[in-house]
Formats: sequence, C-alpha cells, structure tokens
Amino acid sequence: NAGVTQTPKFQVLKTGQSMTLQCAQDMNHEYMSWYRQDPGMGLRLIHYSVGAGITDQGEVPNGYNVSRSTTEDFPLRLLSAAPSQTSVYFCASSYSGTGNHNEQFFGPGTRLTVL
Amino acid sequence: EDKVVQSPLSLVVHEGDTVTLNCSYEVTNFRSLLWYKQEKKAPTFLFMLTSSGIEKKSGRLSSILDKKELFSILNITATQTGDSAVYLCAGGTSYGKLTFGQGTILTVHP
Repeated sequence: NAGVTQTPKFQVLKTGQSMTLQCAQDMNHEYMSWYRQDPGMGLRLIHYSVGAGITDQGEVPNGYNVSRSTTEDFPLRLLSAAPSQTSVYFCASSYSGTGNHNEQFFGPGTRLTVL
Repeated sequence: EDKVVQSPLSLVVHEGDTVTLNCSYEVTNFRSLLWYKQEKKAPTFLFMLTSSGIEKKSGRLSSILDKKELFSILNITATQTGDSAVYLCAGGTSYGKLTFGQGTILTVHP
C-alpha cells in the first residue's frame, strides 16, 4: 500500500492564481480530510468527506473547494490564491466516518507559498 | 464549536527527565482522544483513547483519558533527544472529524 499520497510536495503561486492539491489513498478509507498547518496553530480542518459524494466544511473553509467523486481521491482546489493561504497542507484518511475508528493516516504534506 | 487546548505550549528538558503533556477538550459527540508526534513532517500516530481511566502504554510513553473532567495526559519517561518533536492531541467525534490542539513543542537537550 502507498498509504496517503499528496502532490505536489512544494508549490509557489502568485496572488490570484488557482490550483488543485491532489490527495489519494489506497486503503479504501471512507473518511478523508484536508488540514492546514501554520506556525503555532496546530492543524486546522479545512474540509472533510465521510464518503464518495459527501463533503462538508471544517473550521477554515473559505477560499477552498473540494469534491469527492471516488473513494480514493479528495482534491483540494484553491480558487484565487491569497498570501494568507501560504501554509503546509496535509491530507488524511481513516477507516470509517461513522464512528468505528478515528485514527487518521496523514499524507506527507504540500508546502504552498503564495506571493 | 469544538475546542482542544494543550499545555504547556513548549517545554525544554534534559535527557532522562520525565515530562507530562496536558490536553483538555470540549468536543460535541466525542468518541476518542488521539495523540500524534510530529517531527518536521507529517504527524505520526501514538495513541487513541476511548475509555476513561485505562492507561495505554508504548515503551516509555503512556497516556490516560479522563472523560468526566474532559482531559488527557501524555507521559514520557527517561526522555531522549529523539523525543524532541511537536506533540499534538485531537478530539475525535462519532462521525470521524478530528479537532486538534495547538501542539506542545518538546525539546530534549543531551
């Protein structure tokens, strides 16, 4: 198993550009989520999904879109990048979104800089 | 709004010391409390606690949950320089969502 994979590892954008951060898992996990990590802030939930076709907002959803057309993939779209979105982004997945298991497995992260 | 608070925010100790990290939570539909270790990359899983009063151990690390007082502690005995990291705790809900605390930065000097 590759686990949770994320691409790209690093990205530099200019203000106003759009892009998609890719996340995939091969563990047949129902639950997937996106976090951003800023210095001193821990991990903050952006969006999450409890299964294909179902997504919901987390703590800091503004400026980001997600969709979940398959169990394996959960891309995060930045619509119009802003310097405040400079951060490290982690994707995570876990066995079940319905209460059986909360242990989340994390991808390696994407370091995004917006100029 | 769900909330998880960790203390202290940073801690500096010497090898061989014992440390206790604290985590308090207010999570609606709470199901579990998780601890992760992060060393300049993705967080790695340490413990998941769902039952109050039952200690989980892994080597020199142990953790316990108090569901009545809504807190958990992570103990590390005989610390080593390799324990230097950010320790994150998170409250998990019955539908899988995790809310993380700010993290405790642990630095262990030789």
